[in-house]
Amino acid sequence: EVQLLESGGGLVQSGGSLRLPCAASGFTLSNYAMTWVRQAPGKGLEWVASIGGGGDTHYSDSVKGRFTISRDNSKNMLYLQMSSLRAEDTAVYFCAKDGHPGNGVWDYFDYWGQGTLVTVSS
Amino acid sequence: EVVLTQSPGTLSLSPGERATLSCRASQTVSSNYLAWYQQKPGQAPRLLIYGASSRATGIPDRFSGSGSGTDFTLTISRLEPEDFAVYYCHQYGRSPEMFTFGQGTKLEIK
Repeated sequence: EVQLLESGGGLVQSGGSLRLPCAASGFTLSNYAMTWVRQAPGKGLEWVASIGGGGDTHYSDSVKGRFTISRDNSKNMLYLQMSSLRAEDTAVYFCAKDGHPGNGVWDYFDYWGQGTLVTVSS
Repeated sequence: EVVLTQSPGTLSLSPGERATLSCRASQTVSSNYLAWYQQKPGQAPRLLIYGASSRATGIPDRFSGSGSGTDFTLTISRLEPEDFAVYYCHQYGRSPEMFTFGQGTKLEIK
């Protein structure tokens, strides 16, 4: 059974840093692109960052230069390192798994974690 | 950048009725790379439909997706009490920079 479990959320001051781990199980992490999606309180879904199976990384303009996505396939872990945090980064952060391995398409998300809440206080 | 616009913002229906949710793209969605998710309060989104019309594993056949180009529809043939939630459409494709979500349609009990 595929499972994704985020942790690491909490309250942080503006300008601070936080690292969010996502523990993956039930599939071979190295075969799949992985993505972080966030949802501000009462708002919709927003793409944050993605990492391909080969380690290539992609970021939304709103977090580029401040967030870093990484993976440790040997530990079945995905990470999101967040720095220079702003009030507008306050959201539930979900990790999500790509729907198909290695098909040249950055796919839909077939499994999501339950999310972890990050609150940035100004 | 493709913008996905969902309508209506809120849909009020009764169990047993048919629900029709729309997702319109500002540009053609290539290869029908369009997915639909259901999200209930306090939960993660759940994949319902991918490729515009393919049902995800375990999704009841009362959920169906259709459309192409710029206009896509999610239809729930007969609403069950557990179907009342928020629904999002999502464009994906050849790069993550193409990842776009609609703003959501809230399906509420009338």
